[in-house]
Amino acid sequence: GIQVEQSPPDLILQEGANSTLRCNFSDSVNNLQWFHQNPWGQLINLFYIPSGTKQNGRLSATTVATERYSLLYISSSQTTDSGVYFCAVEANDMRFGAGTRLTVKP
Amino acid sequence: GAGVSQSPSNKVTEKGKDVELRCDPISGHTALYWYRQSLGQGLEFLIYFQGNSAPDKSGLPSDRFSAERTGGSVSTLTIQRTQQEDSAVYLCASSPARREQFFGPGTRLTVL
Repeated sequence: GIQVEQSPPDLILQEGANSTLRCNFSDSVNNLQWFHQNPWGQLINLFYIPSGTKQNGRLSATTVATERYSLLYISSSQTTDSGVYFCAVEANDMRFGAGTRLTVKP
Repeated sequence: GAGVSQSPSNKVTEKGKDVELRCDPISGHTALYWYRQSLGQGLEFLIYFQGNSAPDKSGLPSDRFSAERTGGSVSTLTIQRTQQEDSAVYLCASSPARREQFFGPGTRLTVL
């Protein structure tokens, strides 16, 4: 099946810093989503982005499907951004990456 | 509108007992997914329903796990003869025809 790798696995930032999270996948995909899992375990949709670029406030994402990667940008990070960020791709089935655990310190 | 709901939110059971977990998807969503997330881990795909098609059961870890979706809406995940390694958070998601998925809050299962 398709392999999904996320990097870095852990990231610690000072409030106000910017960051880039990466998702690499091993084959062509139909769908790609980014999620934020908050400390209470709820998965929150960030972007549905099988290709192209989208922005939502301080967050933006870019997927380059031909090169099999997606990037999630977080600007001016806040403590409420802490949690785990998952990339999920769908080809024949749905696969999640292992996630990036982000800690934003005040 | 209402999101995906799951019940119960927490379930504690004894090893060997059967459990049923329920998922109510967003109205009108034709696709429904079940996942399992062990503590500190990523999400493991279990099963996928799309409309009236046969479900994709490729992620079910053993024959003790089964799921059904009645009337194209509510789904029930059943785990028979529970084992301690079944302890995890079970997450359900729905989507309009294999597009953006929306997740429920999950059911935390603890097998003693």
